[in-house]
Amino acid sequence: QKEVEQDPGPLSVPEGAIVSLNCTYSNSAFQYFMWYRQYSRKGPELLMYTYSSGNKEDGRFTAQVDKSSKYISLFIRDSQPSDSATYLCAIPSTGNQFYFGTGTSLTVIP
Amino acid sequence: NAGVTQTPKFQVLKTGQSMTLQCAQDMNHEYMSWYRQDPGMGLRLIHYSVGAGITDQGEVPNGYNVSRSTTEDFPLRLLSAAPSQTSVYFCASRPVGRTGGYQPQHFGDGTRLSIL
Repeated sequence: QKEVEQDPGPLSVPEGAIVSLNCTYSNSAFQYFMWYRQYSRKGPELLMYTYSSGNKEDGRFTAQVDKSSKYISLFIRDSQPSDSATYLCAIPSTGNQFYFGTGTSLTVIP
Repeated sequence: NAGVTQTPKFQVLKTGQSMTLQCAQDMNHEYMSWYRQDPGMGLRLIHYSVGAGITDQGEVPNGYNVSRSTTEDFPLRLLSAAPSQTSVYFCASRPVGRTGGYQPQHFGDGTRLSIL
């Protein structure tokens, strides 16, 4: 079993829709959870960073962690065409090891 | 403040050739890492460094060498290129978490490498 698994998509939604992106993880000891956004031909950039369980909101983005289910989610409200990108979940482990999901490609159609 | 800069952006090599991918950061970060990104595989760690003079292997180190002589630079060397090394390579840096926890990584825009 992989340390982190992510719905591969691709996902295509109309502008204004609510988007839900999800990952599951295997190790209950993980405490930090990150979401990166990657535009085409660019490097990943940090979008959200959460610690332990609960929700964190930043504008139209909400990151949610359910440690009992080992499930993390990123919600995008009022999605915009500029949100079209690949979204990767990432979980740091010991040392410099980060486990990345394979990414979900999102297209928001105007 | 340029962040993480990678050169070249694109490169085509023939099997057996060697080359060096350059990475520089201007944020004085202790950690630097090299990843490769392949379709359906996600980002996989090749090598990383926790400071000048210190390097270690990641998940997929075979066929690659690194060195870290300064805080700013972390070049990745392909010793004898193989078609299986065709990929997009990302360099990343991050600071040590001063108050505990993990600091997120900052990525460059990648080097797209094709090996024929």
